[in-house]
Amino acid sequence: QQQVKQSPQSLIVQKGGISIINCAYENTAFDYFPWYQQFPGKGPALLIAIRPDVSEKKEGRFTISFNKSAKQFSLHIMDSQPGDSATYFCAASASGTYKYIFGTGTRLKVLA
Amino acid sequence: DAMVIQNPRYQVTQFGKPVTLSCSQTLNHNVMYWYQQKSSQAPKLLFHYYDKDFNNEADTPDNFQSRRPNTSFCFLDIRSPGLGDAAMYLCATSRDFTTGTQEFGPGTRLTVT
Repeated sequence: QQQVKQSPQSLIVQKGGISIINCAYENTAFDYFPWYQQFPGKGPALLIAIRPDVSEKKEGRFTISFNKSAKQFSLHIMDSQPGDSATYFCAASASGTYKYIFGTGTRLKVLA
Repeated sequence: DAMVIQNPRYQVTQFGKPVTLSCSQTLNHNVMYWYQQKSSQAPKLLFHYYDKDFNNEADTPDNFQSRRPNTSFCFLDIRSPGLGDAAMYLCATSRDFTTGTQEFGPGTRLTVT
């Protein structure tokens, strides 16, 4: 019940295309869902995050879609660029707890 | 800019030789975390401090210890590094347990020879 399942494991997208990464969870106590971007040899950087009171959040080319009833959330990267090539981790946490439950990560490669 | 700083960025140690990694933060956050990340894996939480209160994850080996002498600094001590401890070690902070957001440092890449 504590798991967050992330797919796909790897993704190759053409420049200008849309990258879509999906995550699913079981624990209904989760109320914070961040996405992190990590480049090789660097620490994860917060990209965008959402709480269950909204179904979508957009920041620039990055959008989180959230489906509370299905217990799923996804990251959409519009107009994907080679500079977006990185590993993306979704995570989930519950207010009042300290722990992130991370997905297994998606390695994105955007072809020039 | 407020940030999380880790030193050194790269550390090479010998098998069995104690090593200390450091983390500092200018965010004035109450919570500091240490994660271990191996290649192609998600970060794995080792322990965290809420102020001075220390919490060890159940599966964190005894070989790993931590100290937080003040709000700004936190240290990870590996008493007798083994080859399996070679990894990226990430420090993160959060204001508390309600805001959700964790800010990560750049990491320290540990190599054990």
